[in-house]
Amino acid sequence: QSALTQPPSVSGSPGQSVTISCTGTSSDVGSYNRVSWYQQPPGTAPKLMIYEVSNRPSGVPDRFSGSKSGNTASLTISGLQAEDEADYYCSSYTSSSTPVVFGGGTKLTVL
Amino acid sequence: QVQLQESGPGLVKPSQTLSLTCTVSGGSISSGGYYWSWIRQHPGKGLEWIGYIYYSGSTYYNPSLKSRVTISVDTSKNQFSLKLSSVTAADTAVYYCARIVVVVAATIDYWGQGTLVTVSS
Repeated sequence: QSALTQPPSVSGSPGQSVTISCTGTSSDVGSYNRVSWYQQPPGTAPKLMIYEVSNRPSGVPDRFSGSKSGNTASLTISGLQAEDEADYYCSSYTSSSTPVVFGGGTKLTVL
Repeated sequence: QVQLQESGPGLVKPSQTLSLTCTVSGGSISSGGYYWSWIRQHPGKGLEWIGYIYYSGSTYYNPSLKSRVTISVDTSKNQFSLKLSSVTAADTAVYYCARIVVVVAATIDYWGQGTLVTVSS
């Protein structure tokens, strides 16, 4: 069981927007703005898409955005494209026994 | 552009020790500012953080694996390594080496391509 809770799957049609949630606790997401999001297409390594809740690394399209409210962080992908189809993972800094915790991952299907 | 590359045996026998090395290029491990980490992903599953090391040699391990894990660094070769002892089939996974930004804890900005390690006799 992962420390952060994500929906197993989400889907959307090209051009639409989807939001993936990541729910933690007051020991991680709720207390620190240290939430990251990673994209993992099949058979590849994860790629950083969002850090510190809402910051995008250079080269990541502005269609990807992040936010946080309380113990839940969210990743929104607008203007869905076929190439966005992948697994998405959130992570957070935590004050618990491990400094890094991950979500269980969400499979995004572009219909 | 920083690149990380895992290397090591793809097949390990049960009860033996899994050993992997990560070679870093495009940046120096000794420059500081980063934790050098190992993360694994069981087939079809999510990510599991194993542990990390700072260039000074300070380490931090996942408590669930701590008794079996050793991470070391060789700054002269710009490499860091993972040893996981007494492996079982449950340790079969893709192992990634990665770089964590210290000032933005939990942000992994670079990943290796990953290497599949299978534990089987």
